[in-house]
Amino acid sequence: LAKTTQPISMDSYEGQEVNITCSHNNIATNDYITWYQQFPSQGPRFIIQGYKTKVTNEVASLFIPADRKSSTLSLPRVSLSDTAVYYCLVGLILTGGGNKLTFGTGTQLKVEL
Amino acid sequence: ETGVTQTPRHLVMGMTNKKSLKCEQHLGHNAMYWYKQSAKKPLELMFVYSLEERVENNSVPSRFSPECPNSSHLFLHLHTLQPEDSALYLCASSLSRGQGNEKLFFGSGTQLSVL
Repeated sequence: LAKTTQPISMDSYEGQEVNITCSHNNIATNDYITWYQQFPSQGPRFIIQGYKTKVTNEVASLFIPADRKSSTLSLPRVSLSDTAVYYCLVGLILTGGGNKLTFGTGTQLKVEL
Repeated sequence: ETGVTQTPRHLVMGMTNKKSLKCEQHLGHNAMYWYKQSAKKPLELMFVYSLEERVENNSVPSRFSPECPNSSHLFLHLHTLQPEDSALYLCASSLSRGQGNEKLFFGSGTQLSVL
């Protein structure tokens, strides 16, 4: 089971770059790394997904080192509206007794003026 | 809009009531999920359906009864709930059961209060 570990919370200010790291030491060969954002009383929303090296889209970048045992979500120039909980999810394969679609505690990001 | 619609958005029920939560996805996905999220806690996976067949039941009490009549619709039937069942119930879908790179699409959830 690919368990993930993230910081419980992070604080930042508007305009800064925020990097949130997720550890996943027992990631499987077929596992991708996916990050979600959740606002209060809403469902999580897909942000970005990657397998190795670097992935960038219009909202974030994802850095994955060669050993894939960790990943870093990078949010450039955050704003107040980026205040949310960010989840790292590894793999989605459902097998008997295998990986489950389990979300960790996530990282509560608070952005201030 | 994520393409996953949940109704009702809010629900208050007594412990002896019977109610149902509904989820509909317009994405052509083949897998659907129920998650429970209690206040300030991580999401807990409850049930997983793939092509209308239940493939996962994560030790959920029998007072929660899922139903998946087709790949676009998912229900969660509730009866004789307890106050500790009050939570945000989230439905999600994905293209398939999982090839390692699936993405989950969530609805906005049903905020349930059991009195």
